[in-house]
Amino acid sequence: DQQVKQNSPSLSVQEGRISILNCDYTNSMFDYFLWYKKYPAEGPTFLISISSIKDKNEDGRFTVFLNKSAKHLSLHIVPSQPGDSAVYFCAASAEGGATNKLIFGTGTLLAVQP
Amino acid sequence: DAGITQSPRHKVTETGTPVTLRCHQTENHRYMYWYRQDPGHGLRLIHYSYGVKDTDKGEVSDGYSVSRSKTEDFLLTLESATSSQTSVYFCAARDRIYEQYFGPGTRLTVT
Repeated sequence: DQQVKQNSPSLSVQEGRISILNCDYTNSMFDYFLWYKKYPAEGPTFLISISSIKDKNEDGRFTVFLNKSAKHLSLHIVPSQPGDSAVYFCAASAEGGATNKLIFGTGTLLAVQP
Repeated sequence: DAGITQSPRHKVTETGTPVTLRCHQTENHRYMYWYRQDPGHGLRLIHYSYGVKDTDKGEVSDGYSVSRSKTEDFLLTLESATSSQTSVYFCAARDRIYEQYFGPGTRLTVT
């Protein structure tokens, strides 16, 4: 049972426009959410996170929105740049503090066209 | 950057042979994790460690074992490799915060 779902395997966006990546989850106990970016042949790198007590977190061109009632989060990238082309994973945690195991979605491949 | 390295970066092995992957970190992080990445599955947790000699299973632990005898090293062992264990393996580490920091990965092919 996939607790974290990224239903769009891929997304193509023009440079300068907004990229919106979506993630849905089923476990209402998740209390922290993260986005990771992954280039080919490299490990995932942490991008941005949000606690369940917030509905928005912003860091430069990246903003994450959380809608707890819908169990949905999204990552907005504005403006999109060709260097943003990568696979984006959302992840969720229900156990903060101790072990903090992360549950990952299947990823969305973002292609930013020049 | 948590100063995480993985070795080897690539390995081809035959079915039935034992394989050990090594993860090394330089930041003295308490928690360490092993994941595998497969198409259509994202990243799945194999085992994790919450301290020296303290380890526990993740969601896909069958066929894998781990050991952590020093803070900086976390070893993943495939006792008898199978073709279903062909994958890319990532190690991660963290301290008190939620964010985990990943190594560059090991691509393992079992023929």
